[in-house]
Amino acid sequence: GAGVSQTPSNKVTEKGKYVELRCDPISGHTALYWYRQSLGQGPEFLIYFQGTGAADDSGLPNDRFFAVRPEGSVSTLKIQRTERGDSAVYLCASSPTARETDTQYFGPGTRLTVL
Amino acid sequence: QKEVEQNSGPLSVPEGAIASLNCTYSDRGSQSFFWYRQYSGKSPELIMFIYSNGDKEDGRFTAQLNKASQYVSLLIRDSQPSDSATYLCAVMSPSSASKIIFGSGTRLSIRP
Repeated sequence: GAGVSQTPSNKVTEKGKYVELRCDPISGHTALYWYRQSLGQGPEFLIYFQGTGAADDSGLPNDRFFAVRPEGSVSTLKIQRTERGDSAVYLCASSPTARETDTQYFGPGTRLTVL
Repeated sequence: QKEVEQNSGPLSVPEGAIASLNCTYSDRGSQSFFWYRQYSGKSPELIMFIYSNGDKEDGRFTAQLNKASQYVSLLIRDSQPSDSATYLCAVMSPSSASKIIFGSGTRLSIRP
């Protein structure tokens, strides 16, 4: 079946602009996660949704970052007033539930470049 | 101190040999541990998880966990060139059931 999909695959923007990154989880998966991966580093947790609600947003770096999942499926990560330091690959993952034993399946990522 | 530490490598291993990848973690309350493989330009892929002390084998892969020493390792037997990738050690946060904390990864290169 279809895996996790993310759009766009690449996004180039200018400092100060607003961007939206989209994630389509695997159908039926209730848990959805956003990570950010900088070059040479492992993914860094940002936020996790169980259904429509953000169950843990402790990884969001500041209030410029916000994510929604209004219908419990597709999620959008929103970044306001982008900064050069926001440049990274943004990864989305989904799992059937939020149990520890559930595998998180990653999407291909969106590479964000802030000029 | 980083929560999950790995040697960045590169680790170079001849084809057919055993590759040994190591990881330490700082939170003694951690219970769930994972190894992900990430090819260059691709997203991470789960290859092993382990929850109990001791060894867990799956094909050519063996994960080892020692909670007393806060140490996790991954052994790859009969290494193949296709095993060349970055291997990410990850730990489930004990304070948040679904928050995974990743190490920086070890780059493994299998030389023919």
